[in-house]
Amino acid sequence: KNEVEQSPQNLTAQEGEFITINCSYSVGISALHWLQQHPGGGIVSLFMLSSGKKKHGRLIATINIQEKHSSLHITASHPRDSAVYICAVEGSNYKLTFGKGTLLTVNP
Amino acid sequence: NAGVMQNPRHLVRRRGQEARLRCSPMKGHSHVYWYRQLPEEGLKFMVYLQKENIIDESGMPKERFSAEFPKEGPSILRIQQVVRGDSAAYFCASSPRRWQGTSNEQFFGPGTRLTVL
Repeated sequence: KNEVEQSPQNLTAQEGEFITINCSYSVGISALHWLQQHPGGGIVSLFMLSSGKKKHGRLIATINIQEKHSSLHITASHPRDSAVYICAVEGSNYKLTFGKGTLLTVNP
Repeated sequence: NAGVMQNPRHLVRRRGQEARLRCSPMKGHSHVYWYRQLPEEGLKFMVYLQKENIIDESGMPKERFSAEFPKEGPSILRIQQVVRGDSAAYFCASSPRRWQGTSNEQFFGPGTRLTVL
């Protein structure tokens, strides 16, 4: 079993829909990171959180430490949100362990 | 303030050659991480460096791979005698100085796509 599991693997939505991507992990962590990777492109850090909830624009990330679970929400999705979203957990040794990613496609 | 820079962006090597990948961290960042993304696979940690020190290289293959982050200049990931299985995207990330027990956001470079013929 992978230390970091994301669901769904693939997600297709219509423009304007509310999107949720889930991440579960099985180890103790010091922080959880959400990253965005566009096809053929680089990686952008969206959030780093260790408790509660963070919001940037239309993106919201939450984490429940007791349940070892995090969610990434996108409100009013747009085709430019189409990308791979990656959850990564950071252990006490500062290493990141990554999920396999969720491929999001938002159709106009 | 330039972001993390990597060069080259694309590198083609023949089997048996050496590949050198460079990473210049963001200004003021003293921590560098290297990650590898194999085709159709997720990102994997390779090595974590501070200036002149390797902090954690537990993700590095035991042979042919080495990394350094000298006092001056970029961090270098070096792959000797490349094989086809080394074809991947190699990303570096940097973060500012860590205080014990804290986490820092990592800022990623655009990656180097290595193709081994």
